[in-house]
Amino acid sequence: AAGVIQSPRHLIKEKRETATLKCYPIPRHDTVYWYQQGPGQDPQFLISFYEKMQSDKGSIPDRFSAQQFSDYHSELNMSSLELGDSALYFCASSSSTASGGSETQYFGPGTRLLVL
Amino acid sequence: AQKVTQAQTEISVVEKEDVTLDCVYETRDTTYYLFWYKQPPSGELVFLIRRNSFDEQNEISGRYSWNFQKSTSSFNFTITASQVVDSAVYFCALRPRNTGGFKTIFGAGTRLFVKA
Repeated sequence: AAGVIQSPRHLIKEKRETATLKCYPIPRHDTVYWYQQGPGQDPQFLISFYEKMQSDKGSIPDRFSAQQFSDYHSELNMSSLELGDSALYFCASSSSTASGGSETQYFGPGTRLLVL
Repeated sequence: AQKVTQAQTEISVVEKEDVTLDCVYETRDTTYYLFWYKQPPSGELVFLIRRNSFDEQNEISGRYSWNFQKSTSSFNFTITASQVVDSAVYFCALRPRNTGGFKTIFGAGTRLFVKA
């Protein structure tokens, strides 16, 4: 079965640079979520989109922005990168109950970002 | 408050032993979902199970079983006859549906070591 696709899988950036992470949800999933997992930490919710509109916002820094496009893929843009942004970034997708789905979030493999 | 507590930081067992991972949750929502995810050393988050707040039926899937008890706000996970491949970090997660928006709240995770 198709899973959530994230690219790139690994990314190395310098401080103050920008990074763009991409997420392609499971086909027919209408909701996308972004999470950040620091070393030895649990995943922390950043932001979500339902039908291309921002649906919820968590602890996402102002330096980060995200959007969901007409084909339902999503991008997380990170600017003025800091050392503390080094983490594993997960994208997850789900199908809402309004669409007959179960709302279970299925996670992609993650993008490992290292800021030097 | 909405939170998930996994009191066991690390558990170490010998292969073929049974092991139970504890999860206690806290939410003011009357409707919510509970999840367990597995994170092996490779880093991906693998969905294991989802439980609705209105369905207290316990579930068994092969060597895995889950005990959901609303009276004690617990959703414990038991692995029977553990195997080395079960070694991973296991996260219990809560998604409140009335006031919680779209976010999923993760516990801190329990790292399970299964020794041969």
